Amino acid sequence: DADVTQTPRNRITKTGKRIMLECSQTKGHDRMYWYRQDPGLGLRLIYYSFDVKDINKGEISDGYSVSRQAQAKFSLSLESAIPNQTALYFCATMGGPAEQFFGPGTRLTVL
Amino acid sequence: RKEVEQDPGPFNVPEGATVAFNCTYSNSASQSFFWYRQDCRKEPKLLMSVYSSGNEDGRFTAQLNRASQYISLLIRDSKLSDSATYLCAVNWETGANNLFFGTGTRLTVIP
Repeated sequence: DADVTQTPRNRITKTGKRIMLECSQTKGHDRMYWYRQDPGLGLRLIYYSFDVKDINKGEISDGYSVSRQAQAKFSLSLESAIPNQTALYFCATMGGPAEQFFGPGTRLTVL
Repeated sequence: RKEVEQDPGPFNVPEGATVAFNCTYSNSASQSFFWYRQDCRKEPKLLMSVYSSGNEDGRFTAQLNRASQYISLLIRDSKLSDSATYLCAVNWETGANNLFFGTGTRLTVIP
C-alpha cells in the first residue's frame, strides 16, 4: 500500500464549486504539505502543517484553505473554484532530514 | 530571483550518452540538497541526496559546489528508462525548514 494517498485522483468541476482534496499518510510524519504543479512553474507550496494544531500559508495560499484533521490526514479545499486553479495537486509528508514523500497527485480541471 | 533555478531543457540525448544537469540556489545558508525524478503525470520521487563530498549511486553522480551555489547531477551511460524530469530541491533548515524545488529539467533518451 502507498504511504501517501490522495483522493480523488482526477476531478473535473465547474467554476464556483467547492472542492475538497484529501490526503492520508501512514508514514507517521508530523509535517504535511500541499503543492500545486503547473507546466513551467514547477512545484509551488500552498499550505503546510507541522502538526494538528499548526497550519501555515505557503507561497500561493489565496483561494485555498486546509484542515489537518489528524496527524495522518490533511485536506485541501477550494472554496469557489476558478479555471486558473486547474493544475496537478500533490500532497507530501516530510521525514528527516528534509526528505519529502509525495502522494500520487490529483489532477483537477476547473471549467 | 527564484530560490532554486534549473535549465528546463529539454535535453535529448542518445542512449549511452553522458548528460549533466545543474541547479543553482540563492540562499548561501542552504543545508540539504536533493535530486528528485518525476515521470510524466506522476509524483516526484527522491533520486538521491547530495552530500558535500559528492556521492555516487550506480550511473548517477551528484555534486555540490557551495562556493558557486550549485548542485549537479551526472548520468552516465543513459538508458531509455532515464527519460523523465529531474527536479532539484534545496532546504535551508531555518524558519519553516521547507524544501524549495526547481522547475525541473526534462530529459529524453533517444534509441
